[in-house]
Amino acid sequence: GAGVSQSPRYKVAKRGQDVALRCDPISGHVSLFWYQQALGQGPEFLTYFQNEAQLDKSGLPSDRFFAERPEGSVSTLKIQRTQQEDSAVYLCASSLSGQTSYNEQFFGPGTRLTVL
Amino acid sequence: KNQVEQSPQSLIILEGKNCTLQCNYTVSPFSNLRWYKQDTGRGPVSLTIMTFSENTKSNGRYTATLDADTKQSSLHITASQLSDSASYICVVIMRDTGRRALTFGSGTRLQVQP
Repeated sequence: GAGVSQSPRYKVAKRGQDVALRCDPISGHVSLFWYQQALGQGPEFLTYFQNEAQLDKSGLPSDRFFAERPEGSVSTLKIQRTQQEDSAVYLCASSLSGQTSYNEQFFGPGTRLTVL
Repeated sequence: KNQVEQSPQSLIILEGKNCTLQCNYTVSPFSNLRWYKQDTGRGPVSLTIMTFSENTKSNGRYTATLDADTKQSSLHITASQLSDSASYICVVIMRDTGRRALTFGSGTRLQVQP
């Protein structure tokens, strides 16, 4: 596709369930980012990949959060044993290169996760 | 802690009027600053990108200014339209230190009324 896509768009989980969120970046984009956006707030950084390498995971809030990008394209963000405070929109973004901080990031529409 | 603060938190204006949104930041070392527009239920879309050497940049009816000395930026919207109703987020990017993440403000929620 022409842009970054994410699935599912909406996810409702019971507390304690595991969830997996998918991101399809723009074809050929080297860098991929995950962000968490709480209601009424700006996005906050979770983790960053350059190709298949996870170069920065300092934003992951706990060890229940895990991200992977095994073939350097599609990425999955997994949240284990979900809790109510995990409810947020999870945004994925990709950029053409990770060599400089000037490269624009293109965002997907996000996955809205609601934990009951 | 690096921070990006925006004001006002929300704003209501009439269609056709102008408005200015403010952004103050403490992120360091600074690389560039971006303004994003985020429609409800959508991901952010870039409006402008400015480096520390640029004072102003326009994109149609949107004009961004940057004062790197005072660490302030503004986004001016001219002749507002109903489609301008969205959240406007100021984003500051640190110079490459190995971390390529963006630091987002909380956004200004703009509502344009007919």
